Amino acid sequence: TQLLEQSPQFLSIQEGENLTVYCNSSSVFSSLQWYRQEPGEGPVLLVTVVTGGEVKKLKRLTFQFGDARKDSSLHITAAQTGDTGLYLCARRYNNNDMRFGAGTRLTVKP
Amino acid sequence: NAGVMQNPRHLVRRRGQEARLRCSPMKGHSHVYWYRQLPEEGLKFMVYLQKENIIDESGMPKERFSAEFPKEGPSILRIQQVVRGDSAAYFCASSTGQGVSYEQYFGPGTRLTVT
Repeated sequence: TQLLEQSPQFLSIQEGENLTVYCNSSSVFSSLQWYRQEPGEGPVLLVTVVTGGEVKKLKRLTFQFGDARKDSSLHITAAQTGDTGLYLCARRYNNNDMRFGAGTRLTVKP
Repeated sequence: NAGVMQNPRHLVRRRGQEARLRCSPMKGHSHVYWYRQLPEEGLKFMVYLQKENIIDESGMPKERFSAEFPKEGPSILRIQQVVRGDSAAYFCASSTGQGVSYEQYFGPGTRLTVT
């Protein structure tokens, strides 16, 4: 059972375009993390959101946590080729365990 | 300022051999997690350990797989009698286990190839 559903699964866009990817669950999160993973490397933590309705910005990346804390989105403005990678959302499960979505694989073409 | 360290980065084993994967958490982190990632897929939780304790091993196959995190030294994920289906990238993460966010920081992974 996938606790977190990420969409779209694949996304291919041209450099300079904007995009949004989503992370949804049927249950409430206490917190949610977004990671980016590049080929051959481990995931790198981008942001943690905790409060319903919270918006965090990281340069061209905007992260939003839904008011009901069941969903989150990541918006990238003016995508660059360096944004290419697998974007993963993760949530706390049981004790300190984390569970990950299957990810959105983003390709930004020059 | 060392992050999570894993070794080896690449490991090749023949079917039936044992694979030992090591993970040293970030300084100050006492919680270690192991994940498996197949090509083109997300991360699958395997096991969560604190020093000398297995907290949650619900994601780890009951046969051939074991994990430990001794009082001294790195955490070790051991796969006995490897089969081709064990070929994957294995990632270790660590955290302080404190606070609301429980953020985990990942190592670079060990890519296991079973021939």
